[in-house]
Amino acid sequence: DSGVTQTPKHLITATGQRVTLRCSPRSGDLSVYWYQQSLDQGLQFLIQYYNGEERAKGNILERFSAQQFPDLHSELNLSSLELGDSALYFCASSRTPRTEAFFGQGTRLTVV
Amino acid sequence: DAKTTQPNSMESNEEEPVHLPCNHSTISGTDYIHWYRQLPSQGPEYVIHGLTSNVNNRMASLAIAEDRKSSTLILHRATLRDAAVYYCILRANAGGTSYGKLTFGQGTILTVHP
Repeated sequence: DSGVTQTPKHLITATGQRVTLRCSPRSGDLSVYWYQQSLDQGLQFLIQYYNGEERAKGNILERFSAQQFPDLHSELNLSSLELGDSALYFCASSRTPRTEAFFGQGTRLTVV
Repeated sequence: DAKTTQPNSMESNEEEPVHLPCNHSTISGTDYIHWYRQLPSQGPEYVIHGLTSNVNNRMASLAIAEDRKSSTLILHRATLRDAAVYYCILRANAGGTSYGKLTFGQGTILTVHP
């Protein structure tokens, strides 16, 4: 158990819908990272937060947004969902941007 | 982001040492070398990281070339549980838009034979 909690574990939704994925980092970790993993794309970095502020952005679509709240948990919002958004979404956290990151078990999103 | 190059796949026998290479010729002076692995159906798992000197922990050893343009992850005695995708990542350790960013490449698929 990495200490990073992601909910829900599985999510099935229809095209055009909006979903919210939640991540609770390890206690004391200030940095949160989001990744998308699909079969043909590998692990794609989406976005990074540190203590509530956005620090780095990867290939995150405009339909996707994220935030880190004062209690340090983070949410990834995916809207206008398409079939191609079906993937595993991982959250990770680290004490600081320098220290090792710990990953959650992921949320498997299926868009039908 | 500085890039890394790893072999697509490697094979090993159980209880033998495994040396996983990584080339990173464009590494900058402030980049740390991180290794993560991903077991089937799980999230990535931190293995080890280093800057210039060789590093050891309970999972593995990291050997870093003197010019820092390459590194090798060493699993001293492979077990079946070590079968995973191993990622070598350069992580910026200074301010800027890439500070702390963890960008995964394709990694090396390690197969361990009984």
